[in-house]
Amino acid sequence: GQQLNQSPQSMFIQEGEDVSMNCTSSSIFNTWLWYKQDPGEGPVLLIALYKAGELTSNGRLTAQFGITRKDSFLNISASIPSDVGIYFCAGRWDTNAGKSTFGDGTTLTVKP
Amino acid sequence: KAGVTQTPRYLIKTRGQQVTLSCSPISGHRSVSWYQQTPGQGLQFLFEYFSETQRNKGNFPGRFSGRQFSNSRSEMNVSTLELGDSALYLCASSFLGAGRPYEQYFGPGTRLTVT
Repeated sequence: GQQLNQSPQSMFIQEGEDVSMNCTSSSIFNTWLWYKQDPGEGPVLLIALYKAGELTSNGRLTAQFGITRKDSFLNISASIPSDVGIYFCAGRWDTNAGKSTFGDGTTLTVKP
Repeated sequence: KAGVTQTPRYLIKTRGQQVTLSCSPISGHRSVSWYQQTPGQGLQFLFEYFSETQRNKGNFPGRFSGRQFSNSRSEMNVSTLELGDSALYLCASSFLGAGRPYEQYFGPGTRLTVT
């Protein structure tokens, strides 16, 4: 089946630093999604990407849909303490279906 | 607008029992998906319902089942619980309609512990 490799597994950074994480897949996807999950909560959608090559921003977050459709990355600029959490990438083959394949997550720790 | 709600939030069951979890989607959303989240396997897709019909199914045994009601509320059932079923079960809803992107909104989850 489809598998997503998300890296890095964890990051420890200083407040104010930029962060970059990425996902690669063995198969192509037609939709890439990035979520953040806080302890005890469900994932919250940060950015959705629908076209190969698409670059989308949401505040300090920027994500790109890779040209090959097999990868995506997420950048966070000028990190702040509330950025702490687990970030997940997810891919969907069927754009209009609820079946998403998730990466294993990147745990982000921000030191003030 | 209220978000996705899941009940109960926490549940402890004994091996061999069965359990039913409930999910109320965002008002107007007709698609509901269920996911299992464990430390070892991560987030895995269970199934998706739309208009009371199962549209997609993940690779889980038949002990895992679900249904959706006419008001879009959904339930999932796990029979003959095993220790490995201990997990956070997440429900996600989405508006499914022409011209609208399919974006899923997750509930807080139900934490199931099987002893």
